[in-house]
Amino acid sequence: SQQGEEDPQALSIQEGENATMNCSYKTSINNLQWYRQNSGRGLVHLILIRSNEREKHSGRLRVTLDTSKKSSSLLITASRAADTASYFCATDRAGANNLFFGTGTRLTVIP
Amino acid sequence: EAGVAQSPRYKIIEKRQSVAFWCNPISGHATLYWYQQILGQGPKLLIQFQNNGVVDDSQLPKDRFSAERLKGVDSTLKIQPAKLEDSAVYLCASSFKVGITLSYEQYFGPGTRLTVT
Repeated sequence: SQQGEEDPQALSIQEGENATMNCSYKTSINNLQWYRQNSGRGLVHLILIRSNEREKHSGRLRVTLDTSKKSSSLLITASRAADTASYFCATDRAGANNLFFGTGTRLTVIP
Repeated sequence: EAGVAQSPRYKIIEKRQSVAFWCNPISGHATLYWYQQILGQGPKLLIQFQNNGVVDDSQLPKDRFSAERLKGVDSTLKIQPAKLEDSAVYLCASSFKVGITLSYEQYFGPGTRLTVT
């Protein structure tokens, strides 16, 4: 299966701390994307990193990609209560343009 | 810019009944996707349209699920007859960029929560 797997399944931290989530996948990809899902705003795209990129930043988000290990990490710095959500990585297959989502990491930020 | 619209937001039906979901993508978005998200799992792609043509329906249970995208804009997803295991959230997403071999960011609607009893 191409589906990514996130680790850990659940993470609980205090507000202000950093949160790191990992994603592993199985086959060659063009891009890897991270999405956030909460009850208020649904599923929202956070960041896209291409297979020839190693690191990308967007605000408090930092994503890394290691294609040799078929893994990615999402770092959220200075977490806020509003970051409480499920985070999914999504990968495509080389040569295709649809996405396979992982099972997600449930992040809880305690105020 | 208006987001992806879906209706209804909630639906409760009995097994063996039929149900239909509607999606209106963001204006100008050529690609439309339907996903099924079972509680505790990530979304699973059911079908992908590019304009009004089907690009990928390999994971659509075609014996009971059908979808169409007339005129390359709105889309409907139908289940007939429904089974208990179809209880899930059905998400519609759209993407502006048309890529043959590359994926792009997708914009998701709020979803329809289906309960089959």
